[in-house]
Formats: sequence, C-alpha cells, structure tokens
Amino acid sequence: EDQVTQSPEALRLQEGESSSLNCSYTVSGLRGLFWYRQDPGKGPEFLFTLYSAGEEKEKERLKATLTKKESFLHITAPKPEDSATYLCARLTGGGNKLTFGTGTQLKVEL
Amino acid sequence: NAGVTQTPKFQVLKTGQSMTLQCAQDMNHEYMSWYRQDPGMGLRLIHYSVGAGITDQGEVPNGYNVSRSTTEDFPLRLLSAAPSQTSVYFCASSKPTGLARDIQYFGAGTRLSVL
Repeated sequence: EDQVTQSPEALRLQEGESSSLNCSYTVSGLRGLFWYRQDPGKGPEFLFTLYSAGEEKEKERLKATLTKKESFLHITAPKPEDSATYLCARLTGGGNKLTFGTGTQLKVEL
Repeated sequence: NAGVTQTPKFQVLKTGQSMTLQCAQDMNHEYMSWYRQDPGMGLRLIHYSVGAGITDQGEVPNGYNVSRSTTEDFPLRLLSAAPSQTSVYFCASSKPTGLARDIQYFGAGTRLSVL
C-alpha cells in the first residue's frame, strides 16, 4: 500500500531562519510526488511536481528535492506569509489518484 | 476562468438527511475527484472519475454516491448523512496529458456538519 509520511507535524521558525520539511514515501513505483500549500479555510494550492530522483524545483523561497525514498521542501529565509500547512502527496494506483501525508503546519514569526 | 467551484461553502445536516455537494470545473479536465479532510488524517479519496460516464471508488466510498454526466460537473451525494461524515470536502480536477499533467487543482471546499 502506498504511504506518505511527513515530518515534523508542526514547525515554528523565526523570520529568516531556514529549515526543511520532510516527506518519506513507500518506494514501489513512484510515478509523481507533489507538494501543496494549504492556508486555513482554503483548498490546497499546487506548488511542485517531482518525477525522478535527483530532480529539484524552485519557486521564490521554496525548493523541492527528491531522492529515491524521500522528498524535502527547503524554505530559505522564510517570511510570515509563508505560514501555512504544507502537504506532500504521491500518485497512487492508476490514473491521477493521490495519497496524501498529514501535512506540516509551519508558522513563521517576526 | 474560475477553476474549480464548489457549492455550498457550509452546510449543516441532521442525521439521516440527504444532500448533494456540487463541483464544477471550467478547465476541460478529464479527471475529477472528491476528497475529505479530517484532523490528523490528511486528505482521503472518496470517489473519482476519469471522464464523463466513468466513475470509481476511492479509499473511503461508503455512504457516498457520484455520477459524471458531463465533463464539467461531478456532484457528490450523501444518501443518509451520519455524524461520521462531518468533515471538509474538496473537489479536484486534473488532466492526464500535457505540460501540467497530473496536477490536481482544488476547490475551496465544503464544510459539512452532521448533527
């Protein structure tokens, strides 16, 4: 069974304090790994897709990387507006079904 | 271009009542899905569709029905609501090909309470 495990569950950072969020997944047949951002009361918003080990993608202060067993979301010099829950998901089975992790709740303080 | 639109935003039901959660997308996406989100459990797939007239069950389908008569719409029906169906429901759509393949775009959600 495809599983996705995220850590930590919650993370509190000071503005400018860089860190990384982890997403580990069951290895068999990864077809795609996704990162989403979710703000309170809203739907998940797409950030990145990664398809193969070694792949990296960047957007502003965020960089997503993928190895053969885990993915990292690196946050460089975060700002308070980066506060949100970050969700990791993998394609599972056939078609476009996603299996989600439980998320990391990030709070960035001044 | 509105993306994925869900209605209603909030709903309160009594146990045993039925209702339909609406989902519409204007991106001509073949794939549509329904997820529920509960604290500490992440998003779980209820039902999905790979095109008009084709639906299938996800991880937690019991108590829910779906149909897909058009590409744009994918309603979720609760047949007889139970307190265990209190949750936030998200609809998503995606396409299987092209540069943005596999990316699921989510609606804003429907917050449902069953008393």
